Amino acid sequence: NAGVTQTPKFQVLKTGQSMTLQCAQDMNHNSMYWYRQDPGMGLRLIYYSASEGTTDKGEVPNGYNVSRLNKREFSLRLESAAPSQTSVYFCASSEVGRITEAFFGQGTRLTVV
Amino acid sequence: LAKTTQPISMDSYEGQEVNITCSHNNIATNDYITWYQQFPSQGPRFIIQGYKTKVTNEVASLFIPADRKSSTLSLPRVSLSDTAVYYCLVGDSSASKIIFGSGTRLSIRP
Repeated sequence: NAGVTQTPKFQVLKTGQSMTLQCAQDMNHNSMYWYRQDPGMGLRLIYYSASEGTTDKGEVPNGYNVSRLNKREFSLRLESAAPSQTSVYFCASSEVGRITEAFFGQGTRLTVV
Repeated sequence: LAKTTQPISMDSYEGQEVNITCSHNNIATNDYITWYQQFPSQGPRFIIQGYKTKVTNEVASLFIPADRKSSTLSLPRVSLSDTAVYYCLVGDSSASKIIFGSGTRLSIRP
């Protein structure tokens, strides 16, 4: 049972490039989330999806777009990467009614130069 | 989710019991108290959740007084491997999103 899987694990982008971070969960959870964590800081919610077909903005959505492709997959896209988006990105999932018991992936370490 | 206040950092030594207190004065009737643990270079991990009194599992204990305005995460006989950031969250489990605060950075020394 893999849980939450994120790809890639590491990525270096040049300013202005675009990329998509992939996330998949195999726990049949309805809710999925994307967070970013800057060095020495807590997690900040970028976007979340309470169920398949719905997405909502979190605390820091600017510069990002998301797609809930199906119940398993939730992707995060950077259309034009900026150095301020250098961070570690975490995907998480949880079950309806048990939102606060979330499972996290191992993270994607993104550097924008 | 209700606002929480916890110490920014704590230090302790191997073999000691560590207690991390979280203040949540505006907790609502339907809110649960949840703690996560995050090791360096890893995603957070759910460790314990409670509503009132005391909850214990293989990792930690959670003490919640009757007024529920605070809670204490207790780690018995810590080791170096307990060095991590610990997050306290308070909210209704049927809410649609999870917001994390800054957490408490716990450092364990030999």
